[in-house]
Amino acid sequence: AQSVTQPDIHITVSEGASLELRCNYSYGATPYLFWYVQSPGQGLQLLLKYFSGDTLVQGIKGFEAEFKRSQSSFNLRKPSVHWSDAAEYFCAVGANDYKLSFGAGTTVTVRA
Amino acid sequence: EAGVAQSPRYKIIEKRQSVAFWCNPISGHATLYWYQQILGQGPKLLIQFQNNGVVDDSQLPKDRFSAERLKGVDSTLKIQPAKLEDSAVYLCASSLSTGGAFYGYTFGSGTRLTVV
Repeated sequence: AQSVTQPDIHITVSEGASLELRCNYSYGATPYLFWYVQSPGQGLQLLLKYFSGDTLVQGIKGFEAEFKRSQSSFNLRKPSVHWSDAAEYFCAVGANDYKLSFGAGTTVTVRA
Repeated sequence: EAGVAQSPRYKIIEKRQSVAFWCNPISGHATLYWYQQILGQGPKLLIQFQNNGVVDDSQLPKDRFSAERLKGVDSTLKIQPAKLEDSAVYLCASSLSTGGAFYGYTFGSGTRLTVV
C-alpha cells in the first residue's frame, strides 16, 4: 500500500520569502502525486499533480513541485509567498486503484 | 462546471444520536469517495463507490457507519450511534477515472461534525 510522509508539521515564513514543503512517498511503482491546499473551513483544492513526463510540474497560484524518483520525494515550492498562502498543505499519493493516501499535512503561517 | 456539493456544512449532535451527510458529485464523475478528516490529520478514506457499487469500504466502521449511492449519483453517509471520536470533517470527493487514467479528486467543502 502507498503512504506519504510530510516531515514538517508547521512552517512559518515571511511574506515575500520562498517556501518549500517536503513530501516523501512510499509506493512500489510509479505513483500519481498530488498537492492539495486547504484554507480554514474549506475543502481541499488541487494545486498540482504529477503522472509522468517532465519531473518539474507547474501548478496554480505560482506553485511548482519536483518529482525525484531516487529520493521518493515530491517537494512543493513557491518563490515568493503571499499572505493568502497561509493554509494547510497536503501531499497525496495515488495508485491504479484510484484511491489517494494523504500525508498529515503541513500548516503554513505567513508573517508580515 | 458545478463542484461537489455537500450538506449540511456544520452539525452538532450528542453522542449516541444519529446523523446523515449528503453529497452530490460533479456530473459525469463515476467514482465517489467519503473521507474522514480528524483535526490535525490528513483525510482518511472511509468508502469508495464506482457508480452505485462499493469498491472499497475496508476502513468504514461498519458497526456504526453506513453509506449508499443508490442511483449512482448522489450519496449519503450515516453514523448511528455517534461517538465522541467521530468528531471530524467529512469530505466527499469525486473523480473522473476511466480508461485507466486518474485525474485526482475534486473535493466538496465538507461537513464539520461535532459530537458532544
